[in-house]
Amino acid sequence: IAGITQAPTSQILAAGRRMTLRCTQDMRHNAMYWYRQDLGLGLRLIHYSNTAGTTGKGEVPDGYSVSRANTDDFPLTLASAVPSQTSVYFCASSDAAGANVLTFGAGSRLTVL
Amino acid sequence: GQNIDQPTEMTATEGAIVQINCTYQTSGFNGLFWYQQHAGEAPTFLSYNVLDGLEEKGRFSSFLSRSKGYSYLLLKELQMKDSASYLCAVVDSNYQLIWGAGTKLIIKP
Repeated sequence: IAGITQAPTSQILAAGRRMTLRCTQDMRHNAMYWYRQDLGLGLRLIHYSNTAGTTGKGEVPDGYSVSRANTDDFPLTLASAVPSQTSVYFCASSDAAGANVLTFGAGSRLTVL
Repeated sequence: GQNIDQPTEMTATEGAIVQINCTYQTSGFNGLFWYQQHAGEAPTFLSYNVLDGLEEKGRFSSFLSRSKGYSYLLLKELQMKDSASYLCAVVDSNYQLIWGAGTKLIIKP
C-alpha cells in the first residue's frame, strides 16, 4: 500500500538523549516535510525538503536536524531532547513543493521527560 | 503577521448540517486547503479552493471568498464518523502552508 511509514509510533525519552524519527515514503514524491502538532496550535513546520539532496528550515527548526540522502527517506533527529519537544510529529510528502496535497504519515508521539 | 482563525469546537446533531468557518490574514494567497483529522490519526485531504465560489464533493462542500479572507466547510447529512477535527490551511505568497489550530467537531446522536 502506497504511503508514508513513520517509526517509532510512540517513544518516551529522557532529556538530553539523542533521538531519530524515521520517515519513508514509496510514492516517489519529491517534497517531504516534518511537522509537530501541539494541543491548541496549528501544525508547525520544522524542516522541509523540496527534492532529494536539499533541505530547508521551517517555522520551528531549533533543536532539530534533517537529511535527505534519497527520494524515499527523510529522518528527523533531535540531537539533545528537551521537554518542550514533547509533541506528536508528522511526516508528510507531496508530489512537488507548492500548493499541492499533502499525504501524512500516522505520526510519532514523543514524550521527553 | 499571518493568522488563521477557526472556532475551537463545534457540536452538531447526526443528520443535520454544520458550517465550519475559517478566516485568514496572510501575506499573499495561493489557495486554501481543508483537511480532516480523526483523533489519534493523520490529517487527510478534503478540499482545495483557489478561486472564489463553492466546490461540492458529495456531502462536503467548501466555499472561498478571497476578497473577504474567508472560507467555510459545509458538512451535510452528518454521520457519527464525521466527528473529527477539521484543519484549514492557506498557501501564502511563498507557497508555504499556514495552518489553523483546527475545529473539533462533535456529533451527537
